[in-house]
Amino acid sequence: NAGVTQTPKFQVLKTGQSMTLQCAQDMNHEYMSWYRQDPGMGLRLIHYSVGAGITDQGEVPNGYNVSRSTTEDFPLRLLSAAPSQTSVYFCASSLSGGGETQYFGPGTRLLVL
Amino acid sequence: KQEVTQIPAALSVPEGENLVLNCSFTDSAIYNLQWFRQDPGKGLTSLLLIQSSQREQTSGRLNASLDKSSGRSTLYIAASQPGDSATYLCAVTPGNTPLVFGKGTRLSVIA
Repeated sequence: NAGVTQTPKFQVLKTGQSMTLQCAQDMNHEYMSWYRQDPGMGLRLIHYSVGAGITDQGEVPNGYNVSRSTTEDFPLRLLSAAPSQTSVYFCASSLSGGGETQYFGPGTRLLVL
Repeated sequence: KQEVTQIPAALSVPEGENLVLNCSFTDSAIYNLQWFRQDPGKGLTSLLLIQSSQREQTSGRLNASLDKSSGRSTLYIAASQPGDSATYLCAVTPGNTPLVFGKGTRLSVIA
């Protein structure tokens, strides 16, 4: 098993550009989530999904879109990047919910200029 | 709103020492508590998961305890090694719902 994979590892964007952060898991997990990690702020939940076709907002959803068309994939879209979105983004998955052991991807480091 | 606090923010100890990391949460109505380890530039790795009905969990040199009524958990690391150097995060959830994380304790074990 590859576990949870994220691409790209690092990305530089200009303000206003859009991009998609990819997340995939091969463990047949129903629950997937996106966090951003900033110095002094800890991990904050952006969006999460309890299964294909179902998504919900977390603590900091503004500026981000998600969809879940398959069990395996949970992409995170930045519609119009802003410098405040400079962060490290982590995707996580678990069998069926947040109350189970979470498996994290290696992260995507995003710099918005 | 649930808040999770980890004290201290950073800790430095000599190799071989036993140490305790602290985690507190404001709402005692939790489903479980999880401890994670994060190495620099890496993702999080789950260490221990304690259900709300449990008092402690052990894995090797790690022992995590939970006192739900007082809103506290501790992670005990026995005979620390330089390889234990990392950031340790705790997180709680009120149900099978998203985790709420503390900001972590950065541990350095000096050889």
